[in-house]
Amino acid sequence: AQSVAQPEDQVNVAEGNPLTVKCTYSVSGNPYLFWYVQYPNRGLQFLLKYITGDNLVKGSYGFEAEFNKSQTSFHLKKPSALVSDSALYFCAVSPIKAAGNKLTFGGGTRVLVKP
Amino acid sequence: DGGITQSPKYLFRKEGQNVTLSCEQNLNHDAMYWYRQDPGQGLRLIYYSQIVNDFQKGDIAEGYSVSREKKESFPLTVTSAQKNPTAFYLCASSIRHLQETQYFGPGTRLLVL
Repeated sequence: AQSVAQPEDQVNVAEGNPLTVKCTYSVSGNPYLFWYVQYPNRGLQFLLKYITGDNLVKGSYGFEAEFNKSQTSFHLKKPSALVSDSALYFCAVSPIKAAGNKLTFGGGTRVLVKP
Repeated sequence: DGGITQSPKYLFRKEGQNVTLSCEQNLNHDAMYWYRQDPGQGLRLIYYSQIVNDFQKGDIAEGYSVSREKKESFPLTVTSAQKNPTAFYLCASSIRHLQETQYFGPGTRLLVL
């Protein structure tokens, strides 16, 4: 069975500093990996995904993520955080050969960017 | 204006009552999904449908039912058998055949009176 771990419930960072949100996964075979962001009482917004190819994936709003197969990780990064980046972030995984495009989500990491 | 709509935004359920949450999409996506979100637990899959008139149980289907009579619509019924229905419910859709991105609606918050 596939699983996703987001080891930090909350990440605090000062505005302008680098932001990293950690994600590790377990899946049979090669994974598809996704990052989503959720603002209060809203649905999830897609940030970026890794399917194949370059291990560094660039996404929306200046976010990027690095796929590391040996460490089974897919950490989300942003070079300079903004106060508006404060939100709940979810990592998700799906095996390439899974039927029905079933995603498994991590428990989420709350990011708080302080001015 | 394409996207996924969910209604209502807030829903109150009385004991023993069935309630239905609406999800509509105009993205021409074949696949649709229902998730439940509880604090600290991420999202859990309730049901999904890859094509009209077909759907499969997810990880927590007990106490829920769905139908997929139209491509655009995937309503979720929370039955009286679901003893702990208070949660945030999210609908999503994606292109069926590929491992494509799932796009989410704004959610419905269900509360028990």
